[in-house]
Amino acid sequence: EAGVTQFPSHSVIEKGQTVTLRCDPISGHDNLYWYRRVMGKEIKFLLHFVKESKQDESGMPNNRFLAERTGGTYSTLKVQPAELEDSGVYFCASSLAGSTDTQYFGPGTRLTVL
Amino acid sequence: GQQLNQSPQSMFIQEGEDVSMNCTSSSIFNTWLWYKQDPGEGPVLLIALYKAGELTSNGRLTAQFGITRKDSFLNISASIPSDVGIYFCAGPARGTNKLIFGTGTLLAVQP
Repeated sequence: EAGVTQFPSHSVIEKGQTVTLRCDPISGHDNLYWYRRVMGKEIKFLLHFVKESKQDESGMPNNRFLAERTGGTYSTLKVQPAELEDSGVYFCASSLAGSTDTQYFGPGTRLTVL
Repeated sequence: GQQLNQSPQSMFIQEGEDVSMNCTSSSIFNTWLWYKQDPGEGPVLLIALYKAGELTSNGRLTAQFGITRKDSFLNISASIPSDVGIYFCAGPARGTNKLIFGTGTLLAVQP
C-alpha cells in the first residue's frame, strides 16, 4: 500500500512569489492534516480536513495560506505571496479514522523563500 | 495553549550505549506518542501510550506514560547506527485530532 506522498520534495522561491504544495493521502483515509516545521522548532499543526471539509484550521498562520481538498482526495496548500518566514518543511499526514487513529506522515516539502 | 518540552535537544553517543529522552508538559495529555524522523523522511510512529503508568516496548525501544499524565520518556537500549535521527514526542491537543509536538531530540550514534 502506498504511503502519503508529497510534491514537490523541495521548492526554492523568491519572496512575493506563489507556491503550491500537493499531498496525496493514503487511499481511503478521510482525515488529512497539514503541519509545518520551521528551522529548529517543533512541528506545528496547520489544519485538518475530514474528506473535503475543513474540520480545524486554527493553525493556519494568516490569509496568505490557502488549503483545499476538492473531492476529498488529494490536498493542496498554496502560499501567496510567500514571505521569508514561510520557509520550513511542510508535512502532510493522513489517518483512517478520528482522534485515536495513527497519523501517517509524508516525507515533507522543504520550502525555502529567498 | 498546551506545550511539550523535550530534552535533551541533542545527544552524541557511541554505538552500544543506552539512550534516554523525555518530554514534559504543564498540562495533562491522555495519549503520548513517540515519533522518529529519518533524514529526508517524515515522522514515523514508534510507540503510542494510552494509559497513565503504561510501559510499552517495541524492540529495543521502551516508553512510559507518566502517572501524572504530564510526562513521558523514551529509552533506546544498545543503540546502533540506524537509530540516528530526530525523535519527537507528541500528543493530541485536548478535544481535537491535531497533534502537538515537542521540539525534538537529535540523536547521533558513532559506530
